[in-house]
Amino acid sequence: GAVVSQHPSRVICKSGTSVKIECRSLDFQATTMFWYRQFPKQSLMLMATSNEGSKATYEQGVEKDKFLINHASLTLSTLTVTSAHPEDSSFYICSAAKGEQSRSYNEQFFGPGTRLTVL
Amino acid sequence: EDKVVQSPLSLVVHEGDTVTLNCSYEVTNFRSLLWYKQEKKAPTFLFMLTSSGIEKKSGRLSSILDKKELFSILNITATQTGDSAVYLCAVTPYGQNFVFGPGTRLSVLP
Repeated sequence: GAVVSQHPSRVICKSGTSVKIECRSLDFQATTMFWYRQFPKQSLMLMATSNEGSKATYEQGVEKDKFLINHASLTLSTLTVTSAHPEDSSFYICSAAKGEQSRSYNEQFFGPGTRLTVL
Repeated sequence: EDKVVQSPLSLVVHEGDTVTLNCSYEVTNFRSLLWYKQEKKAPTFLFMLTSSGIEKKSGRLSSILDKKELFSILNITATQTGDSAVYLCAVTPYGQNFVFGPGTRLSVLP
């Protein structure tokens, strides 16, 4: 149990286009989903936290209008990179938590990630 | 199907103890194995291992990879309460994305 999928696994797009990445919890209901971006030296930066049916909470420095997050159901969250630019090229990982929100940071199950390349 | 298994899933020790966390994997076209520590927000990167038998160390933490037996261990010596966290193991196959293990929850009691 506790499988999280992401789609697509990799995407290449032109500068200025928008890209949507889906994160699904396949066999459990996720109270909270998280979106991360991987930076050089393997560090993962938390971009935002989303709870089903409410607005996402963005971390400082993350542009809300550029990285749109929708958590429409307990099994699906989407991240849309709007007007993508080459500097948005990165590896985006989602995770889903089924524990209580207060504990959800250490109850996460990670997806396989999506590699975005913006030309 | 690629998979990563970690053991134990949960561990409670007292300060000063030494712990060994295990990560075994089955992936095609292995490229690297990574260890992360997750306390609050984003997991913190600890080690990346690509070659067998070469120990990586950082303070009280060390890790080693065995590509023949398909596993890695993470050692923490003289544990402290601040080591309490979930330790994640992830494998990156060539041409594919991450495969994360379920994590080991370590609790270090005073």
